[in-house]
Amino acid sequence: DGGITQSPKYLFRKEGQNVTLSCEQNLNHDAMYWYRQDPGQGLRLIYYSQIVNDFQKGDIAEGYSVSREKKESFPLTVTSAQKNPTAFYLCASSIVGRTSGTDTQYFGPGTRLTVL
Amino acid sequence: AQKVTQAQTEISVVEKEDVTLDCVYETRDTTYYLFWYKQPPSGELVFLIRRNSFDEQNEISGRYSWNFQKSTSSFNFTITASQVVDSAVYFCALEPVLRDLGRLYFGRGTQLTVWP
Repeated sequence: DGGITQSPKYLFRKEGQNVTLSCEQNLNHDAMYWYRQDPGQGLRLIYYSQIVNDFQKGDIAEGYSVSREKKESFPLTVTSAQKNPTAFYLCASSIVGRTSGTDTQYFGPGTRLTVL
Repeated sequence: AQKVTQAQTEISVVEKEDVTLDCVYETRDTTYYLFWYKQPPSGELVFLIRRNSFDEQNEISGRYSWNFQKSTSSFNFTITASQVVDSAVYFCALEPVLRDLGRLYFGRGTQLTVWP
């Protein structure tokens, strides 16, 4: 089945440790995105990538890093520099249209990260 | 600046009631897309609708309908004859095509609870 997978569903880490969240898609989408969601908040964009080997910072990139070595994969690393990393992280992907911008973003199931 | 406001934080209704979720947006772009997503308790965002700024026709899909009014910068969502399965957080989002290609700006969401 085509879709976006994020693993693991729940992740626990000790304070000060880096942690990498996985996001894989087999939809052949060009663009991929990482969002953070806090209770009672909308989604805030961390990083996005519209093509392999290229990515841009979103609104809250500090303390996070990403890579886009393959079209299907866009892992997010939450570093120890992120002051409040406990949150729900959602990955999304979309087609990038040549004339009409990006197509609809489709989301993965999310990873709930808790830093102890 | 791009902004989406969902003034209703929480709404509770009894099954079979109709309910309208409000969404007001701000953008200077003349070309943009508007979206609604549903987030059930499982956490994954489910795409509901995408509407471009040049199409003001209302849309109906089963029990769901959307009212887009550029004059008031609103894109409201109505659920007719609500059901318990409609209980979720609903997000409205804006994609300004010209200035911020591919970026979605989300409102804070409306938690809808439908009681049996």
